[in-house]
Amino acid sequence: AQSVTQLGSHVSVSEGALVLLRCNYSSSVPPYLFWYVQYPNQGLQLLLKYTTGATLVKGINGFEAEFKKSETSFHLTKPSAHMSDAAEYFCAVSPTGFQKLVFGTGTRLLVSP
Amino acid sequence: GAVVSQHPSRVICKSGTSVKIECRSLDFQATTMFWYRQFPKQSLMLMATSNEGSKATYEQGVEKDKFLINHASLTLSTLTVTSAHPEDSSFYICSAQTGQGDQPQHFGDGTRLSIL
Repeated sequence: AQSVTQLGSHVSVSEGALVLLRCNYSSSVPPYLFWYVQYPNQGLQLLLKYTTGATLVKGINGFEAEFKKSETSFHLTKPSAHMSDAAEYFCAVSPTGFQKLVFGTGTRLLVSP
Repeated sequence: GAVVSQHPSRVICKSGTSVKIECRSLDFQATTMFWYRQFPKQSLMLMATSNEGSKATYEQGVEKDKFLINHASLTLSTLTVTSAHPEDSSFYICSAQTGQGDQPQHFGDGTRLSIL
């Protein structure tokens, strides 16, 4: 069975600081990995995805994530946080491509001035 | 592109009534649609997967008679919560996917259902 662990339900950073949101997964097969962002009372927006190939994936809004098979991790980073980045972030894994997404419990990113 | 519209965004109704939520893909054909439920401060849980013209596939523990899903066209799926009770109050989110499962899911903005 696939599972996703997001360490830290809340992460607080100052505007301009590095953002690091952690995601570890377990999967019996090479997975597809995703990061989604959710703003209050809205659905999810895809930030980036890893399917195959290059392990460093760049997404929208300056975010990127690196797939590390040896560590079973897919951490999300952004060099400089903006106030507009404050939201809930979900890591997801799928062993079957783009279907049957299994989500982590989410990390709320708080950005202070 | 790839816009998914979900309606209504919020609904409040009395216990015992049935509520229908619509999910539309506005600019693409959704061969597959997914329905998720999200409890406060928790993650999304997949309820069911529906393919156009076929019966929905429900996840374990989801009552198919309680949560009726229809996917009659390539742009519309509906979720009907029948005889809703307070414990059905939640945030329901749909997503839509084109192709044969080789494309990302695109999510609607969700429906907040409150049963009094």
